[in-house]
Amino acid sequence: GAGVSQTPSNKVTEKGKYVELRCDPISGHTALYWYRQSLGQGPEFLIYFQGTGAADDSGLPNDRFFAVRPEGSVSTLKIQRTERGDSAVYLCASSATGATNTGELFFGEGSRLTVL
Amino acid sequence: GDSVTQMEGPVTLSEEAFLTINCTYTATGYPSLFWYVQYPGEGLQLLLKATKADDKGSNKGFEATYRKETTSFHLEKGSVQVSDSAVYFCALNTGGFKTIFGAGTRLFVKA
Repeated sequence: GAGVSQTPSNKVTEKGKYVELRCDPISGHTALYWYRQSLGQGPEFLIYFQGTGAADDSGLPNDRFFAVRPEGSVSTLKIQRTERGDSAVYLCASSATGATNTGELFFGEGSRLTVL
Repeated sequence: GDSVTQMEGPVTLSEEAFLTINCTYTATGYPSLFWYVQYPGEGLQLLLKATKADDKGSNKGFEATYRKETTSFHLEKGSVQVSDSAVYFCALNTGGFKTIFGAGTRLFVKA
């Protein structure tokens, strides 16, 4: 399809394991964002890519979280040594440019992570 | 820091009722304001937006007016339908990379 695609849609893992979540943005969108949505809360910013570089990673909660976008398209969010508090829905969004004050974010359906 | 506060849900209405979902914000500068909607089983999608004071955003019968004096962006619809049942998120962006979202308000519309 033409929308933002996220895989897996659901991931259940055990505490301490490593997890990768993938995002395939809309073709041609240079800006890519990761958000985290905890139960009953709105999306919380994690990291923003413009092209291949992370322009702002100030929302990553700690150094267990890392994201890459090596070719300026697909991005992977990596979580090391998962903890139960990491359980949430991880949302990916893309936009045509980084000017989200006037532009629109296009979201995927999210990857639901459950850490047991 | 910048923040968005919206009314807690769930909001339950009968079909054809009038809807208001309150949203107020705190921001430095002059933010753009947005309402996003999340239908069951789908990703968030933009419903409407307003980029400056007194602008009115509208889409699918929904409206919201950017009120700088009251720092508000309340969502309204004159006659809701069952298909409007969803979670609604108010959001702002002050021109940077981050869009700040409220906690969301779940709307149930009964036939």
